[in-house]
Amino acid sequence: SQQGEEDPQALSIQEGENATMNCSYKTSINNLQWYRQNSGRGLVHLILIRSNEREKHSGRLRVTLDTSKKSSSLLITASRAADTASYFCATDEGGTYKYIFGTGTRLKVLA
Amino acid sequence: DAGVIQSPRHEVTEMGQEVTLRCKPISGHNSLFWYRQTMMRGLELLIYFNNNVPIDDSGMPEDRFSAKMPNASFSTLKIQPSEPRDSAVYFCASSPRAGNGYTFGSGTRLTVV
Repeated sequence: SQQGEEDPQALSIQEGENATMNCSYKTSINNLQWYRQNSGRGLVHLILIRSNEREKHSGRLRVTLDTSKKSSSLLITASRAADTASYFCATDEGGTYKYIFGTGTRLKVLA
Repeated sequence: DAGVIQSPRHEVTEMGQEVTLRCKPISGHNSLFWYRQTMMRGLELLIYFNNNVPIDDSGMPEDRFSAKMPNASFSTLKIQPSEPRDSAVYFCASSPRAGNGYTFGSGTRLTVV
């Protein structure tokens, strides 16, 4: 089974709105990462949050981590059409080097 | 920095043929990963190298798959013989060390007919 499960599977919003994606995982972790994948392209690393951090910001991205609930969220503020992509969380399984990717959230931002 | 370079971008081959996928990681990155992506199974970790040494190949689906990293700047993933169910996008990723963010290549889209 997947270590990370994203929710929702798909999300469609209007340009300018905020988009929130959630990730749940099963084992203890050292850190959690979020990636973006545009259609037909490789994954692009967005942000890494360590297990002792609760919140991290990068530009229009805000990531939270709740290790007690084994969950993380990715918030994209003031979305743009260019944010249309699939977003994946990845966790180091059991705190090892082995990063397991979730099933992804497909975000569509309508202009 | 050219990033992680994979070749070929697309490969179409007949069942039973040998397929070799290539990857050049970012210079100075000590960790290299091969992933496979399909609609049904998502992203699966196939094998992980650290300092050119295979550390974990438990994700390699069967003996038909093999991977090598003869030096710090080159890795191959070979499938012999290939089967239609191997059709997928294969990604190579590198990292300065395990536990850091990965840089992914653009992937090789493999179609086995």
